[in-house]
Amino acid sequence: EIVLTQSPGTLSLSPGERATLSCRASQSVSNSQVAWYQQKPGQAPRLLIHDASSRATGIPDRFSGSGYGTDFTLTVSRLEPEDFAVYHCQQYGSSPWTFGQGTKVAI
Amino acid sequence: QVQLQESGPGLVKPSQTLSLTCTVSGGSIMSGPYYWSWIRQPAGKGLEYIGRLYTSGSTNYNPSLKSRVIISVDTSKNQLSLKLSSVSAADTAVYYCARASDSSGYGFDIWGQGTTVTVSS
Repeated sequence: EIVLTQSPGTLSLSPGERATLSCRASQSVSNSQVAWYQQKPGQAPRLLIHDASSRATGIPDRFSGSGYGTDFTLTVSRLEPEDFAVYHCQQYGSSPWTFGQGTKVAI
Repeated sequence: QVQLQESGPGLVKPSQTLSLTCTVSGGSIMSGPYYWSWIRQPAGKGLEYIGRLYTSGSTNYNPSLKSRVIISVDTSKNQLSLKLSSVSAADTAVYYCARASDSSGYGFDIWGQGTTVTVSS
């Protein structure tokens, strides 16, 4: 099983700042099959990025993903007020699919 | 537009079987190719993959739950179901159904709103 470790646990930033979130895998993720999700309190997660760097439908271009092998990054170029939330990474390159523990982006 | 809606008992007694249903609207559950999955989230914690069912009917389960889980589909009702046996307090969580499709690189592009299940006597 691939274990995903997200860092930091909490990122304290202000609107307009850049957020950089890390997701490190315990072994290489096949075909960079990594997704990122945003989750707000009381809501289901929302898909932001798939295949490490492809934005999902309707996702603003301030969200970008990168990475290869074991190290993956989600970047929010300029935080909007609605971007303060918890972000989860997930790998679907090998079974069982697994999630990281989440990073909270807080004001 | 495809929508998912989970339903089932909100309270289950320890050692009993948790049974949930996910109703798919706006499209056929067996069109695709799609992976239909169950994912759970204990309060204040991260997401845990439970398992998935492919449109071919094949299934895959999290090894940590495999001995207790069955995921199946009722095509006549356009529903996905989850059965988790021998539950304990550790199974208390919000349970989500979700769809992964090739158009989203098999990330989970559609989620239900989630249903809270508490295991308690």
